[in-house]
Amino acid sequence: DTAVSQTPKYLVTQMGNDKSIKCEQNLGHDTMYWYKQDSKKFLKIMFSYNNKELIINETVPNRFSPKSPDKAHLNLHINSLELGDSAVYFCASSQLDYGYTFGSGTRLTVV
Amino acid sequence: AQSVAQPEDQVNVAEGNPLTVKCTYSVSGNPYLFWYVQYPNRGLQFLLKYITGDNLVKGSYGFEAEFNKSQTSFHLKKPSALVSDSALYFCAVRDGVSSASKIIFGSGTRLSIRP
Repeated sequence: DTAVSQTPKYLVTQMGNDKSIKCEQNLGHDTMYWYKQDSKKFLKIMFSYNNKELIINETVPNRFSPKSPDKAHLNLHINSLELGDSAVYFCASSQLDYGYTFGSGTRLTVV
Repeated sequence: AQSVAQPEDQVNVAEGNPLTVKCTYSVSGNPYLFWYVQYPNRGLQFLLKYITGDNLVKGSYGFEAEFNKSQTSFHLKKPSALVSDSALYFCAVRDGVSSASKIIFGSGTRLSIRP
């Protein structure tokens, strides 16, 4: 049973398209996150939600819009994709044990 | 704001030898420190954490880390390296325990264990 699952695992799309990445966790955690890992493997937080409420928005272009229909799901929608959006996007969740559980990542390639 | 530094991009160790991956941190309050490992084309896996208590923390796969408050360090160690330990290792610090806190990751250290 996968604790944090992301779909799709790979996503190849053209510039200007709109795409979504879905994330679900079955751990009962209250907080979920999106991180971006660039080509140099640097990890940067994008958003966090706590019980469906946006808590952290780290200066991400407004082409990126997270949506949390319930506390087990946090989806990421990206409008007007650009070449620089190519990266691996990780979803994570956490509870009061302070650490995160990560999904396996979505590799987005914009061509 | 908190920050994490991993001064080595790569660490090379022979199998069977001890290994150390360095990490230093900066936080305004109490540090909540973590190590994660990332294997190729995989997500990050939790190795160990320091929240409070004993400065020597034991984690998964035989790894341990030592919290040193005076040196603001949290180095990852293993007494005897395995080839299967080869991966990318991230040190991380959390800036609190509220729902508004977040984990900041270091730049990562690639560990290469040669047979």
